[in-house]
Amino acid sequence: DAGVIQSPRHEVTEMGQEVTLRCKPISGHNSLFWYRQTMMRGLELLIYFNNNVPIDDSGMPEDRFSAKMPNASFSTLKIQPSEPRDSAVYFCASSLETGGVEKLFFGSGTQLSVL
Amino acid sequence: DQQVKQNSPSLSVQEGRISILNCDYTNSMFDYFLWYKKYPAEGPTFLISISSIKDKNEDGRFTVFLNKSAKHLSLHIVPSQPGDSAVYFCAASGANSKLTFGKGITLSVRP
Repeated sequence: DAGVIQSPRHEVTEMGQEVTLRCKPISGHNSLFWYRQTMMRGLELLIYFNNNVPIDDSGMPEDRFSAKMPNASFSTLKIQPSEPRDSAVYFCASSLETGGVEKLFFGSGTQLSVL
Repeated sequence: DQQVKQNSPSLSVQEGRISILNCDYTNSMFDYFLWYKKYPAEGPTFLISISSIKDKNEDGRFTVFLNKSAKHLSLHIVPSQPGDSAVYFCAASGANSKLTFGKGITLSVRP
């Protein structure tokens, strides 16, 4: 299995621009998570989906952030407009929810720099 | 408000010695705890876990201890190896099964 695939690996953009991060979860997994890693706050859960449906988006910092999961094999996290404080590493993770605690499988992350 | 706290940002140990990574939590509803390991430019990977009904879980060189009364857990690595140098995240889960992570601790194992 190829694991969780994220693209791009690095993104450098200017303040005000739209940024779209992409994720392909592990085939067969039914839960997908978007996390953000910063030095100040560590790994923060932004949003998670179960069976393509958003379950909890309470971690999404502002309306500038939105996430979609149009099908079981693809998800996007969009920031519009982007700001310098959005600079961080964004991780996508997937798991197979079986009613117990989920062991997450993470992608390699997208390093976002907003100038 | 951090519900899972890793108060030491870094730890340096000599190869062959024991590494002890600490983690504290505030939410008494957490009942499952995990440690993830992260190398640079990679995503975190699952390392070891422990249920709240246990106080110890061992897997090779890695042992996790849980002290529920103190709301404290620790990861012991014995013996430490240079390849163990990474960022270690403590995570906790409650009834909703969502994982809450700490900020991570950077472990450096000196040859």
